Amino acid sequence: EAQVTQNPRYLITVTGKKLTVTCSQNMNHEYMSWYRQDPGLGLRQIYYSMNVEVTDKGDVPEGYKVSRKEKRNFPLILESPSPNQTSLYFCASSLYSGTGIYEQYFGPGTRLTVT
Amino acid sequence: GNSVTQMEGPVTLSEEAFLTINCTYTATGYPSLFWYVQYPGEGLQLLLKATKADDKGSNKGFEATYRKETTSFHLEKGSVQVSDSAVYFCALKDSNYKLTFGKGTLLTVNP
Repeated sequence: EAQVTQNPRYLITVTGKKLTVTCSQNMNHEYMSWYRQDPGLGLRQIYYSMNVEVTDKGDVPEGYKVSRKEKRNFPLILESPSPNQTSLYFCASSLYSGTGIYEQYFGPGTRLTVT
Repeated sequence: GNSVTQMEGPVTLSEEAFLTINCTYTATGYPSLFWYVQYPGEGLQLLLKATKADDKGSNKGFEATYRKETTSFHLEKGSVQVSDSAVYFCALKDSNYKLTFGKGTLLTVNP
């Protein structure tokens, strides 16, 4: 089954404790992206990657890091989480060609609470 | 920059009612347009899309027509069901590497 998986689905942590949210896709997609969803703000892009070792900032990258060492995986790293990073996080993937991305496939989400 | 504006929710309807969720956009060029749906506790799923002016996307009884003259992509369904209760997001392909989403509209359908 074609899918995007995220782990963990739920996480409660404390300020400053480094964490990683994993994302994996089995569709051989070139493009992957991280979004955060907040009430009244919709989805905002954090980082994206157009292929292995190619990453770039989205609209709200502060406080986050990513890496793309393998095509299927795109982990999101919070080196020193703060309460304002409490949010619902989604990973997405898409085919990518010369005309850009196609429709995106989303993971189930990770609800992060930072106290 | 490009942006998407969709009607504020929440929207509450009775089963079998007609649904319209308005979506307008601001963009240069001719972006592809999408509607995504998010059921409770799940990620977003593509509902329908349109890639050029006057295209009509349709799926599961939902329809939306890409209107360049009014820069709109309104979502419609003739008869909603309880199972359609979800959050609906309008989005446009902002560039080769990004989708820009509206803020989402919560739809609740009562039996």
